[in-house]
Amino acid sequence: AQSVAQPEDQVNVAEGNPLTVKCTYSVSGNPYLFWYVQYPNRGLQFLLKYITGDNLVKGSYGFEAEFNKSQTSFHLKKPSALVSDSALYFCAVRDVPDKLIFGTGTRLQVFP
Amino acid sequence: EAGVTQSPTHLIKTRGQQATLRCSPISGHTSVYWYQQALGLGLQFLLWYDEGEERNRGNFPPRFSGRQFPNYSSELNVNALELEDSALYLCASGSTGFPTYNEQFFGPGTRLTVL
Repeated sequence: AQSVAQPEDQVNVAEGNPLTVKCTYSVSGNPYLFWYVQYPNRGLQFLLKYITGDNLVKGSYGFEAEFNKSQTSFHLKKPSALVSDSALYFCAVRDVPDKLIFGTGTRLQVFP
Repeated sequence: EAGVTQSPTHLIKTRGQQATLRCSPISGHTSVYWYQQALGLGLQFLLWYDEGEERNRGNFPPRFSGRQFPNYSSELNVNALELEDSALYLCASGSTGFPTYNEQFFGPGTRLTVL
């Protein structure tokens, strides 16, 4: 069965510093991986996806993610964090037929 | 382009009642997905509808059901409500068309509270 794990419940970072939100995956076959963000009392917003191709995926709001097959990881990164990036981040993998399996979420807190 | 819309925003019911949640997908999307986000349980897949048919179902009891209409909008019905059904119910829509295939676009959710 497909699964993703987000090992950190919360990540704290100072504004302007680089941020990383970790995700590891376990899949049979080629992984289809996603990152979503959820702001308070809102639905999920799509950030980026990895289907195939370049291991570095660029997404919305300056976020990027690095797909690492040998480490089965798909960490979300941003070179310079903003206070407005504070939110709940979910990693997800596509399972067949056509559903998303989500990680438990990581709360990102960016301090001014 | 309008996004996924859900109604109502909030819904308060008592145990044993029925709840009906509605979702309108992005124009051109034929698939609708329902997820439950309950406190402490994370995001769990509920149902997938495509072209009017139920295509996949998560590990939920039969009292969770739904349908998709010819205009691709969808309803989620929860019968015999239990306290643990209190959650944010998220609807997403998707398309098989390039380049957004495999992506699911989420609505703002319906907050269901069961008293």
